[in-house]
Amino acid sequence: EVQLVESGGGLVQPGGSLRLSCAASGFTLNAYWMHWVRQAPGKGLEWVSRMKSDGSITNYADSVKGRFTISRDNAKNTLHLQMNSLRAEDTALYYCARDPWEYSGSTQFDYWGQGTLVTVSS
Amino acid sequence: DIQMTQSPSSLSASVGDRVTITCRASQTIRTYLNWYQQKPGKAPNLLIHAASCLQSGVPSRFSGSGSGTDFTLTINSLQREDFATYYCQQSHSTPLTFGQGTRLEIK
Repeated sequence: EVQLVESGGGLVQPGGSLRLSCAASGFTLNAYWMHWVRQAPGKGLEWVSRMKSDGSITNYADSVKGRFTISRDNAKNTLHLQMNSLRAEDTALYYCARDPWEYSGSTQFDYWGQGTLVTVSS
Repeated sequence: DIQMTQSPSSLSASVGDRVTITCRASQTIRTYLNWYQQKPGKAPNLLIHAASCLQSGVPSRFSGSGSGTDFTLTINSLQREDFATYYCQQSHSTPLTFGQGTRLEIK
């Protein structure tokens, strides 16, 4: 069974840092593109970042570029999002999502975690 | 960036109704369009990918159509469990973008 479990969220002051994790089970992380998507309280979905299956490509939304870094630990089958210089507008529920692009030929999010809440406030 | 605009933003319907939600892209995205359903407190769930391909396990009352810039999600014979928020998402190019959502409520 495919499962994604996020962790690492919490309350942080503006300018602070957090590292989110997404532990994958039921599949091998490095066989899939992986994404982070966030949802501010009561708002819609916003794509944040993605990493190609082999790790050779990473992309970011303009709103986080230069502040966030996506990475992967293949040995632990875990995806990470390092978030620096956090702002109030980064407050959101952060989801990791699997993308079967290598098998379907188009990007889609076929499995999601339950999300981890990041609150940026003084 | 490609802007995705859904209409309506909210919709009231009854069990058994047929509803249609539309999604328009600010430039052509061919058929790189996905639809998701999100219920309160839950992660989104993929319904339709590549504009018209039903995701495995999704009931056949859901269908998608369109190409280029205009797309529709149709739900035939609404069931109580279908009342939720629906999002379209383009996968043509980064940044990947979502529509603002359509909230489907019980009349």
